[in-house]
Order: sequence, then structure tokens, then C-alpha cells
Amino acid sequence: GENVEQHPSTLSVQEGDSAVIKCTYSDSASNYFPWYKQELGKGPQLIIDIRSNVGEKKDQRIAVTLNKTAKHFSLHITETQPEDSAVYFCAASKGGAQKLVFGQGTRLTINP
Amino acid sequence: EAEVAQSPRYKITEKSQAVAFWCDPISGHATLYWYRQILGQGPELLVQFQDESVVDDSQLPKDRFSAERLKGVDSTLKIQPAELGDSAMYLCASSQTGTEQFFGPGTRLTVL
Repeated sequence: GENVEQHPSTLSVQEGDSAVIKCTYSDSASNYFPWYKQELGKGPQLIIDIRSNVGEKKDQRIAVTLNKTAKHFSLHITETQPEDSAVYFCAASKGGAQKLVFGQGTRLTINP
Repeated sequence: EAEVAQSPRYKITEKSQAVAFWCDPISGHATLYWYRQILGQGPELLVQFQDESVVDDSQLPKDRFSAERLKGVDSTLKIQPAELGDSAMYLCASSQTGTEQFFGPGTRLTVL
């Protein structure tokens, strides 16, 4: 089955700097790649996603890139703010109501 | 904004006791998922419903876990008997398209 690896496990950046989190997946049939933000004591919140027919997607300060050949995708956060501090999870699925397989998470800390 | 509702938010029980969690998906979402998230890890699927039918319960420990969605709307996940290793966050998610999944706040279970 699908296996998703995420790194780094922790990331600390200065406010205003950029943060990058990377994920790799194993199943070439996966075609949907969402990113979730999880704050302490809350459920994961969908922040951006990308499908396999697109190489890059941007939403304000957040962008995701996908390299299908290499089977990896990345989350880029620019101009980081303290409220960006949270645990971020990448995931992969084959779409069409298939289950999400999650990475292990990255704890992002924004230092003021 | 419509949200997935879960209750209770927190549950403390002793091992060998029975516990039950409830989920009300976003109105109109036909697909409902139960995930388990162990502290420090990503969520893992336990069971998936399409309307009232189970479509994937391959990772559900059926000797002690059961799930139902009788009318195709809200759902209940039960554990009987609870074991120490069941301590985790239990997350419910729903989807209208079968791709984007939206999570509830979760139920934090502690088994003593």
C-alpha cells in the first residue's frame, strides 16, 4: 500500500522567513495530495491541495509543488507569521473517495 | 461555515470498559471516515462509509471496535472492551466529492 514520508519532523524559522516541508510517496497511482494544519487540541484543517495534473498551486502565502516523476511534493509558506505555528501533515490518496495516507507530521515553530 | 461535529471532546475510561463516540458530518456529505491519531503521528483510517454502507474497514480491530451509520447521516464508533493501547485522538471526517476531506475536532480518549 501507499507510504508517505515527511520531513523535517520539526522546523523552526524566524518570523517573516519562509518555511518548506517535503513529502515523498510510494504509490504512483496516487493523484491527490492535500496538506493539513493541526493546532493543539484541534482536528486537522485542510489548507491547500493539489492534483496530479497540476505541478504547482498557490493560495496567498501558501504554495504546493508536485513532482510526479520523483514522487514528491512540498509545502511552501512565505512571510511566516506566529499564527502559522502548528503541526502540518501531508497526505496522499488515489482520489474518488479513497482513504488518505498521512505523513508523520512537521511541527513548525515561528519565532518572533 | 458548516463543520463536522463530534462528541464527547474528551473521554477518560478504565480498561475493559465500553466507550462510544459520535460524529455528525457536514450536511449532504455522503462519505464519512473515522481515523485514529496516536500522539505524535498522522491519522490512520479505521473505517469508511459511503452513505450507510461500509466501504473500507480493513484496519478496524473488529474484535473490539464497531462502527455504524444507520441512516447514512451521523455515525457512532464503539470500543468494547477498551485497552490501554486505545488511548488516542479519534477523528471523524466527511466528504461531498469523495476527495476533499473535512475533519471534526476529534475525541481525545484516555484509557487508564
